[in-house]
Amino acid sequence: GAVVSQHPSWVICKSGTSVKIECRSLDFQATTMFWYRQFPKQSLMLMATSNEGSKATYEQGVEKDKFLINHASLTLSTLTVTSAHPEDSSFYICSASRTANTEAFFGQGTRLTVV
Amino acid sequence: RKEVEQDPGPFNVPEGATVAFNCTYSNSASQSFFWYRQDCRKEPKLLMSVYSSGNEDGRFTAQLNRASQYISLLIRDSKLSDSATYLCVVKGGATNKLIFGTGTLLAVQP
Repeated sequence: GAVVSQHPSWVICKSGTSVKIECRSLDFQATTMFWYRQFPKQSLMLMATSNEGSKATYEQGVEKDKFLINHASLTLSTLTVTSAHPEDSSFYICSASRTANTEAFFGQGTRLTVV
Repeated sequence: RKEVEQDPGPFNVPEGATVAFNCTYSNSASQSFFWYRQDCRKEPKLLMSVYSSGNEDGRFTAQLNRASQYISLLIRDSKLSDSATYLCVVKGGATNKLIFGTGTLLAVQP
């Protein structure tokens, strides 16, 4: 299957700093990528839909100024958690698909811990 | 009401057992249905798509009942390696986004 690479796989940062997470589709072009967050023992919750060349679409309750998404090319989307706080500690996962109607492939996830 | 509901489990079963997971969804406009598997602290991976006619892949059988908005997954002859969380996923409707259930934890015991 297709490969989606996410980096870093884990990060520990101080409260108040910003963290950037990268999501790359390695062997296909992804017009759309999705960013999810998963708290312990909970399901994946969609945060935003990242569209190449345009602004991201955020889900209700997700602060767009806190979670900055950039989708500058067909193979790369980035999520920046700005001014991170301990409550932002979570597992962040991206997914990408060739088209809206084909299988979504997931990155390996990034475990963020804010201390 | 959650868009996709699953029994969180855990389901503790012995090796060789048959186990069934159920899932219901609320949006009747949903168009695609999947079961994903997620191992601890890992990303979800597609196990199988679910079709109205039912589909089978080895020891795994998935069924969809659109009238009841109900999806099932049957695992026969459980292996230790089947231990994971199984996520019911629904796609479609107005947004065409993947909506995940909370997952059902399966623990296969030796």
